[in-house]
Amino acid sequence: GAVVSQHPSRVICKSGTSVKIECRSLDFQATTMFWYRQFPKKSLMLMATSNEGSKATYEQGVEKDKFLINHASLTLSTLTVTSAHPEDSSFYICSAIQAGRHSTDTQYFGPGTRLTVL
Amino acid sequence: DAKTTQPPSMDCAEGRAANLPCNHSTISGNEYVYWYRQIHSQGPQYIIHGLKNNETNEMASLIITEDRKSSTLILPHATLRDTAVYYCIVRASGAGSYQLTFGKGTKLSVIP
Repeated sequence: GAVVSQHPSRVICKSGTSVKIECRSLDFQATTMFWYRQFPKKSLMLMATSNEGSKATYEQGVEKDKFLINHASLTLSTLTVTSAHPEDSSFYICSAIQAGRHSTDTQYFGPGTRLTVL
Repeated sequence: DAKTTQPPSMDCAEGRAANLPCNHSTISGNEYVYWYRQIHSQGPQYIIHGLKNNETNEMASLIITEDRKSSTLILPHATLRDTAVYYCIVRASGAGSYQLTFGKGTKLSVIP
């Protein structure tokens, strides 16, 4: 149980275009999802926290108009990188917390999406 | 959340136990110790977590000292597939405390 998927796993796009990444909790309902970014040989950096049905909370330094997050259902959150530039090339990873649990709310991570902007 | 300190790298012979230490001397009473690992080019994988007592599951054992200022993750019989970066993270429980702060972790290399 507690499986999180991401689509696509890899994407290459031209500079100036927008890219949408999907994050799905396959076997549980997720009240909260998170989006992280990881540059080569670096650790994960939290970008934003997304709660179902409400606006995402962005970490300091993350542009909310550039990284659009939608969490429309308890099993799906999307991250759209708008007007992508080469410096947005990175490994994007989502995670989800299972709804309704009252213990320690373990985060389960997706496999990640490798974005390359040409 | 409390800060953790881990060695940057460790080697372990295949088939032997891998013992990964973590210091969290400023941990608070309501903070859990979580362990995740990240194999190259994949998302982090949850391993185990604990509060006070030692914990064991099908993947690993977690030993927390009585004063809770440090812990050790034990992989009882390391295999080559256990080669990964292991992250020790301290996090409070309850709503509003879900965020995980990833440090640099320990790069474990399992050697044939």
